[in-house]
Amino acid sequence: DAKTTQPPSMDCAEGRAANLPCNHSTISGNEYVYWYRQIHSQGPQYIIHGLKNNETNEMASLIITEDRKSSTLILPHATLRDTAVYYCIVRVLSRGFNTDKLIFGTGTRLQVFP
Amino acid sequence: SAVISQKPSRDICQRGTSLTIQCQVDSQVTMMFWYRQQPGQSLTLIATANQGSEATYESGFVIDKFPISRPNLTFSTLTVSNMSPEDSSIYLCSVQLGHEQYFGPGTRLTVT
Repeated sequence: DAKTTQPPSMDCAEGRAANLPCNHSTISGNEYVYWYRQIHSQGPQYIIHGLKNNETNEMASLIITEDRKSSTLILPHATLRDTAVYYCIVRVLSRGFNTDKLIFGTGTRLQVFP
Repeated sequence: SAVISQKPSRDICQRGTSLTIQCQVDSQVTMMFWYRQQPGQSLTLIATANQGSEATYESGFVIDKFPISRPNLTFSTLTVSNMSPEDSSIYLCSVQLGHEQYFGPGTRLTVT
């Protein structure tokens, strides 16, 4: 299973862009990169996912390097409500049953300050 | 999207007892997942539960300790058996819909 590496914590000023890096050097060609976040005492929330191309939605942008060994999640204008733990996850197939499961790493604790 | 509810939201239990956690989804889903989140830690997958088949457990988790039921496409239960203080965690139910996985609010379990 591919694994991810993220910095344990980051700070960002409110209104500025938050750039959260993730390394996934052993990713396979058909594995997607997913980002989730977990605000304190809540269940994880889906943010965005991608395979090869850069992706953007109403929450964030995902930049994946050409070799797919790393990616960056960008929150363009961070707010205090974006303070959370952000998880970069590579999606795997399990036991040949063609079921996908999310394996969480340790994540990055993002603190947005005023 | 999927809306997931869990019962109970929290509980305090005595060592040696068992607790059954319920997970209800507002959509019919094939795959459901149970995770554990110990204090200050990330989420750890306990098992995958598909309707009509036995749950598949991850390394370090066994059916005798965490029996799972999946009677239909909208409901599942996880039992934490013969509890010890090390079982104090948040237990989360999750479902797969399309490319996304949705999570319930979690059940906060404290074992004394």
